[in-house]
Amino acid sequence: DVKVTQSSRYLVKRTGEKVFLECVQDMDHENMFWYRQDPGLGLRLIYFSYDVKMKEKGDIPEGYSVSREKKERFSLILESASTNQTSMYLCASSFIRGPNTGELFFGEGSRLTVL
Amino acid sequence: RKEVEQDPGPFNVPEGATVAFNCTYSNSASQSFFWYRQDCRKEPKLLMSVYSSGNEDGRFTAQLNRASQYISLLIRDSKLSDSATYLCVVYMFSGGYNKLIFGAGTRLAVHP
Repeated sequence: DVKVTQSSRYLVKRTGEKVFLECVQDMDHENMFWYRQDPGLGLRLIYFSYDVKMKEKGDIPEGYSVSREKKERFSLILESASTNQTSMYLCASSFIRGPNTGELFFGEGSRLTVL
Repeated sequence: RKEVEQDPGPFNVPEGATVAFNCTYSNSASQSFFWYRQDCRKEPKLLMSVYSSGNEDGRFTAQLNRASQYISLLIRDSKLSDSATYLCVVYMFSGGYNKLIFGAGTRLAVHP
């Protein structure tokens, strides 16, 4: 079974703090994604990566950055957390190279609260 | 207008009922369509892809209507374990690149 592991299920941070969300997948997938999920808005794509050291902005990249130094690991960074970044963050990976991603495998999510 | 729209529900149905969800999408050139299922406090998981000719997987039937730009999911003989949120997902060109667009989901509650 594909396993996508997110480092923290629940985090509480203060405004202005730097936040790291880690994601690791164990199936040698090339594509990795970070989404946030908010009630009534669905999943929105923050950043994605099709290869090591490669990253592309999604729909809502402002206030976020990412790092992909190794194929299995994709990190999301909030440089200076703000209250409007309180959300559920979901990491996903998929096998097929290129934009037609096919099935996405998600991690269990990281619920971030920014006070 | 949202790119992918779903009725948020909730749909409250008794066990054994048949329930249908619809989803509309804005981009007529959309290429691929999927239904994902998300249990409460869990991650989304692929339920089924939606093919042009329609497809069935056990009690679940998915249909695509390109002319009207909607897809549907029919669940027959509902089980308690079907209670979840069902996400409509469309692969389309938007914002300068191809990507999966998720609807906000339709919540289903099956009661005894």
